[in-house]
Amino acid sequence: AQSVAQPEDQVNVAEGNPLTVKCTYSVSGNPYLFWYVQYPNRGLQFLLKYITGDNLVKGSYGFEAEFNKSQTSFHLKKPSALVSDSALYFCAVRDQNSGGYQKVTFGTGTKLQVIP
Amino acid sequence: EAQVTQNPRYLITVTGKKLTVTCSQNMNHEYMSWYRQDPGLGLRQIYYSMNVEVTDKGDVPEGYKVSRKEKRNFPLILESPSPNQTSLYFCASSPRPRALDTEAFFGQGTRLTVV
Repeated sequence: AQSVAQPEDQVNVAEGNPLTVKCTYSVSGNPYLFWYVQYPNRGLQFLLKYITGDNLVKGSYGFEAEFNKSQTSFHLKKPSALVSDSALYFCAVRDQNSGGYQKVTFGTGTKLQVIP
Repeated sequence: EAQVTQNPRYLITVTGKKLTVTCSQNMNHEYMSWYRQDPGLGLRQIYYSMNVEVTDKGDVPEGYKVSRKEKRNFPLILESPSPNQTSLYFCASSPRPRALDTEAFFGQGTRLTVV
């Protein structure tokens, strides 16, 4: 069975500082990993994904994520946080080698609060 | 504009009164699914559909029904809603159900309250 853990319910960071939102995963094969963002009263929006290749993935709005296979992690990062980055962030995983259809499993979400 | 549209956005209903939440996508996507979002539990899949007339249960299907008569529409039906179905519901679609590297497109959500 696949799973995703987002260990922090909330992350607070000052505007202009770097931010990290943590995500660890568990799959039996190799993972496809995704980050989504949810702004208030909106649906989830895709930010970035790791499929294969370079461990550093760049996505929308200046976000990037680093895939670390040995630590089974896929942390979301941004060098300089903006107040407008305040939102709920979801990590998601899919097992590449599941055979047949394999649903996406989402984490519980991390609320990012950027303080002016 | 490519989008997934859910209606209604907000709904308050009473226990036992049948309701339908509609979902429509204009991207000709094969795959559609329904999730519920609850605090501390994240998103949990209710049902999904790989194509027209092909549906299957997700993680929490009890108390829900779906249908996929047309490619663009995937309504969620609560035959006899109960208070524990009070939640935020999202519909999502993606182009190729077996392309595991494909991201999903989400609707704006439907906040349902069952009293």
